[in-house]
This record gives sequence, structure tokens and C-alpha cells, in this order.
Amino acid sequence: DAGVIQSPRHEVTEMGQEVTLRCKPISGHDYLFWYRQTMMRGLELLIYFNNNVPIDDSGMPEDRFSAKMPNASFSTLKIQPSEPRDSAVYFCASSRAQGGTDTQYFGPGTRLTVL
Amino acid sequence: GQNIDQPTEMTATEGAIVQINCTYQTSGFNGLFWYQQHAGEAPTFLSYNVLDGLEEKGRFSSFLSRSKGYSYLLLKELQMKDSASYLCAVLLGNNDMRFGAGTRLTVKP
Repeated sequence: DAGVIQSPRHEVTEMGQEVTLRCKPISGHDYLFWYRQTMMRGLELLIYFNNNVPIDDSGMPEDRFSAKMPNASFSTLKIQPSEPRDSAVYFCASSRAQGGTDTQYFGPGTRLTVL
Repeated sequence: GQNIDQPTEMTATEGAIVQINCTYQTSGFNGLFWYQQHAGEAPTFLSYNVLDGLEEKGRFSSFLSRSKGYSYLLLKELQMKDSASYLCAVLLGNNDMRFGAGTRLTVKP
């Protein structure tokens, strides 16, 4: 299996621009998670989906962030407009089911820099 | 709030044993995970505990005491490649996983 795929791996943009991060989960996984990692705050859950439906978006920092999962093999995280404080590594992860041995498998991450 | 605490940094010698502690105070508990993260890479799963006791997997072992809100990750026969950050994470429920800030382990020759 190819694992979780994320694109782009690196993104540099200017403040105010729209940023779209993409994720392809592992085939057969019903859960998809978006995380953000910074030195200051560590790894934070932003939102997760179950069978393409958003279940919990309480971690989404503000209305500038939105996430979609139009089908079982694709999800996007969009930031509009972007701000320098959004600079972080954004990870996508997927799992077959809740907890247990069905652990979350992380993608390689997208390193976002907002100037 | 949810509190998951682990030491920021640790240093150990190649071939030795190191124990990384994690304490937690959370509103729910459905299991505790340990992840390894090398610099610039994604976290990778190491272990999962939901019942009290020790889980052993090769050179790595993880222990849980739910009554004490305590876990540790034990790494034996340390190798240079074990230099990484180790993240303790608590599954609160409904897939809400909260991570500690991570412990950066440096293995020296």
C-alpha cells in the first residue's frame, strides 16, 4: 500500500493568499484526520471525518479554515485568507476504525510557510 | 482542559536503556498511544495500551497505569537511529486523540 499521500510537500505563500492542502487516505480506511504541528503547540487535531462526513471540527482554529471530503479517497484543507501564524506542518492521517489496533497512519505532511 | 505531560528532552548512550514517562489528566480515556517522530518526518505508531500493564514489542515496551494516569515507554539496547521525538497521545473517545508535546531523545555514542 502506498500509505497516506499528501500534496504539496512544501508550500510557501504570501499573507492573504488561499492555500489548499490535499490528502489521499489509505484505501479502505473509514476515518481521516487533519492535524497541525508547531513548535509552540505541538500536534493538534483540527478535524476528522468518518465515511466522508465531518464528525468533529472543534479543533479548527477559525472560519478561515475549512475542510472537505468529497469522496473516500480525497480530502482538502483550505485556508483563506492565510496568515503568517498559520505557518506549520499539516499532517493528514487515516485509520480503519476507532482506537485499538486500528491506529492512525500519518502522511508525510505539508510544510506551510506564510510570509 | 486536557493535560498530557512528558519531559522535553532526554539524552542516553548507545546500548543503554531509557524510560520516557508520560502523565495525563484527561476528561476521557480510551487508550494511550506512543508515536515516534524523526525530525522532518511524520509520526509513526509504536504502541498502544488500554489495559494496565506492560506491552512488549521487541526493543520497545510500554506500560500503563490507569489509576495513576501514568505511562512510560521503555527503549532497550539503544541505537543511534532511536534519536527522535517520542509522542505520548491519549484517545479521549470518538477518535479525539490528544498529543503531548513530545520528548526529544538524543542517543550518543
